Amino acid sequence: QKEVEQDPGPLSVPEGAIVSLNCTYSNSAFQYFMWYRQYSRKGPELLMYTYSSGNKEDGRFTAQVDKSSKYISLFIRDSQPSDSATYLCAMTGSNYQLIWGAGTKLIIKP
Amino acid sequence: GEEVAQTPKHLVRGEGQKAKLYCAPIKGHSYVFWYQQVLKNEFKFLISFQNENVFDETGMPKERFSAKCLPNSPCSLEIQATKLEDSAVYFCASSPYLAGGIRGGYTFGSGTRLTVV
Repeated sequence: QKEVEQDPGPLSVPEGAIVSLNCTYSNSAFQYFMWYRQYSRKGPELLMYTYSSGNKEDGRFTAQVDKSSKYISLFIRDSQPSDSATYLCAMTGSNYQLIWGAGTKLIIKP
Repeated sequence: GEEVAQTPKHLVRGEGQKAKLYCAPIKGHSYVFWYQQVLKNEFKFLISFQNENVFDETGMPKERFSAKCLPNSPCSLEIQATKLEDSAVYFCASSPYLAGGIRGGYTFGSGTRLTVV
């Protein structure tokens, strides 16, 4: 079983919808939680970074962490076709290397 | 500059040949990480550096992979005697702090796509 589980999708939603992306993890020692966006043939781009349970908002993006359930989420409001990409969750293991989810491919239909 | 520069963008090697990849971290960033991304987005940690010192090399296949970060030079990742299974995109990331920068997280380069034929 992988340490971080993420549904690979694809997830297809109409423009303007609220998108919910999720990851679960098994190691309670994970400290920092991140969401990256990756366009095809590009490097991952950091969207959100959190280290405690609760919500963090940045523009149209909200990151949610529930350490008791080992569950993290990313919400995208007013989704745009330009949000179509692969979204990867990542969290820091021992020595701060990133442990990654498999990535969810998101498609926003105009 | 404010970007992590990776070269070359693409690299094709015959099986058994050597491959060398380069990464210039953002100026002032003390930490450098190398990741391998294979099919279906799977990222694998390889090695991390604190300045020129290896910080964590638990992900490195030591028999064929080596890496360096020397002062005033780009960091490098070298694969001796490449195998077909080494075909992947190799990403470098840098950060000023171990747990990330002011916004947290690590800044990634655009990657080097290695194809072993």
